[in-house]
Amino acid sequence: DIQMTQSPSSLSASVGDRVTITCRASQDIRNDLAWYQQKPGKAPKRLIYAASSLQSGVPSRFSGSGSGTEFTLTISSLQPEDFATYSCLQHNSYPWTFGQGTKVDIK
Amino acid sequence: QLLLQESGPGLVKPSETLSLSCTVSGVSISTTSYRWGWIRQPPGKGLEWIGSIHYKGRTNYKPSLKSRVTISVETSKNQFSLRLSSVTAADTAVYSCARESYSYGIDYWGQGTLVIVSS
Repeated sequence: DIQMTQSPSSLSASVGDRVTITCRASQDIRNDLAWYQQKPGKAPKRLIYAASSLQSGVPSRFSGSGSGTEFTLTISSLQPEDFATYSCLQHNSYPWTFGQGTKVDIK
Repeated sequence: QLLLQESGPGLVKPSETLSLSCTVSGVSISTTSYRWGWIRQPPGKGLEWIGSIHYKGRTNYKPSLKSRVTISVETSKNQFSLRLSSVTAADTAVYSCARESYSYGIDYWGQGTLVIVSS
């Protein structure tokens, strides 16, 4: 199985802050990575696909980068509605695996 | 609009079998480009991919669950199903069905259903 190591597991930030979350894959997954945002009681929402492509309708303050084994999700200016849990998913090979998640809360 | 809706018991006794169905609306499940999968999330924990199926019946499962998991598809009803046998409290989770794209990951999710394993 490909292991996805996501960091940090949680972070506290203020509105307007720049936030960066990292996922590392245990082997090369090319750009087969997606990022999801999840709020309590809601289904995850895809933000980024193919490592760096912005999902339609997602604000441009979200961006993704990386390929191979190291990936980042960046929120350029954190907004109140962005406080949530973020997870990466590798879909390069089965079994698909998620990162452990990063909870972003208010500082 | 594509919608996925899980259904099934919210309470299962230990050692019994958890059974859930996912009804897909807005698109045919019989499409080559996608697979149909199950993901779970234990309370307070991260997302765990369980497995998925192609409409022609090809399956992939998480190895640690493979001995207990069966995913099946019923194209005539535009549904697919999950069975997880010999459940324990560790299987308590929100179970979600989803559509998988080979190239782009999971693009649609159901709302999820909480299944509690308890006597």
